[in-house]
Amino acid sequence: SYVLTQPPSVSVAPGKTARIPCGGNNIGSKSVHWYQQKPGQAPVLVVYDNSDRPSGIPERFSGSKSGNTATLTISRVEAGDEAAYYCQVWDDSSDHWVFGGGTKLTIL
Amino acid sequence: QVQLVESGGGVVQPGRSLRLSCAASGFVFSTYGMHWVRQAPGKGLEWVTTIWYDGNTKYYADSVKGRFTVFRDNSKNTLYLQMNSLRAEDTAVYYCARGGGSGWSVWGQGTRVTVSS
Repeated sequence: SYVLTQPPSVSVAPGKTARIPCGGNNIGSKSVHWYQQKPGQAPVLVVYDNSDRPSGIPERFSGSKSGNTATLTISRVEAGDEAAYYCQVWDDSSDHWVFGGGTKLTIL
Repeated sequence: QVQLVESGGGVVQPGRSLRLSCAASGFVFSTYGMHWVRQAPGKGLEWVTTIWYDGNTKYYADSVKGRFTVFRDNSKNTLYLQMNSLRAEDTAVYYCARGGGSGWSVWGQGTRVTVSS
């Protein structure tokens, strides 16, 4: 089955740039979506189709892909960005949606 | 406004059944695929099942296939998840989410299911 790999945690100081990687075999051929989830709340879509932002999501959130890794980048991080972030793809070989294990972003 | 509201969660004994509901409003429910996702305590998101807009195509995670059934009533704007033969490892918050070609932008608030004797 298809696996998406994320680091369990990333830490960054306020005002700096956070980069959250998501690795997967041949991920370059898939559309990657990213979700933010704060404790006790439902997930929120922050990037879809690799690099597009839904309305209402700040421009500080961006997505990219290179090789077998997709990356969510959060510029000028704020305390309110502290949350878990999940990547997601559709695996058409198994007809399954797949989530990465999630990355907890900590603002120092 | 666009909204999804789950219900039906609770405490259930292992081996028993439970049915979750997800009531949709603010959009044309019959034109969207829908999903169930769960999150065990302290764990990440796990996709459970997907149903197409017309109910004719369904996909299931291996962990629930043969035990869970997803269906929908487009006349009632409601999505369902029938969960049978429940196990302790099914304990989680269950979310419904609206599909579409560009990520899942609408989620419910979740309903908690606890499987315990």
